[in-house]
Amino acid sequence: EVQLVQSGAEVKKPGESLKISCKGSGYSFTSYWIGWVRQMPGKGLEWMGIIYPGDSDTRYSPSFQGQVTISADKSISTAYLQWSSLKASDTAMYYCARLTDGSGSSFDYWGQGTLVTVSS
Amino acid sequence: SYELTQPPSVSVSPGQTARITCSGDALPKQYAYWYQQKPGQAPVLVIYKDSERPSGIPERFSGSSSGTTVTLTISGVQAEDEADYYCQSADSSGTREVFGGGTKLTVL
Repeated sequence: EVQLVQSGAEVKKPGESLKISCKGSGYSFTSYWIGWVRQMPGKGLEWMGIIYPGDSDTRYSPSFQGQVTISADKSISTAYLQWSSLKASDTAMYYCARLTDGSGSSFDYWGQGTLVTVSS
Repeated sequence: SYELTQPPSVSVSPGQTARITCSGDALPKQYAYWYQQKPGQAPVLVIYKDSERPSGIPERFSGSSSGTTVTLTISGVQAEDEADYYCQSADSSGTREVFGGGTKLTVL
């Protein structure tokens, strides 16, 4: 059974750094792209970026380029999303999801989401 | 920047047919995907490659494409179908993936 399990909710202050995780199981982690999707409170889904754990090829939406860093550790089947300096506007639910086939495709399996709250 | 346009809301009575549209200039050459999201839950893929249905998704969910518009059709709507629905696709170059703004389906 394919599963993506994300790390728990985080409460941070503006300016702090953060790295959240997404652990895949039940499939060949290095053979599928993994992506991150943001959902701000009461708002829609936003495509942030994707990574291919097999070779760490990473692509970002222009809206998120330079704002976050996506990485992966294939030895432990885990993808990451990190911020170096959080802002209040980063408060959102963040989902990781596996791409069905190839970099330009649907997300077929999703993590449960990680709620990030940034507040002073 | 590329955008996909969805109606903010659609309302139908149980047993009727709901149609949710998604418009974008690149849709004639890029596949579209549809997700269902219920409150407090992660999205679920309901249609991929315009009209394919993943295993486990009820047959009442179908997708179609015509020009710059793709449509998610839910036949015989049930109360459990009440949710937000999002389309996803790419720009004409295939380098930028985006989601539509989402449509809230209300079952009256």
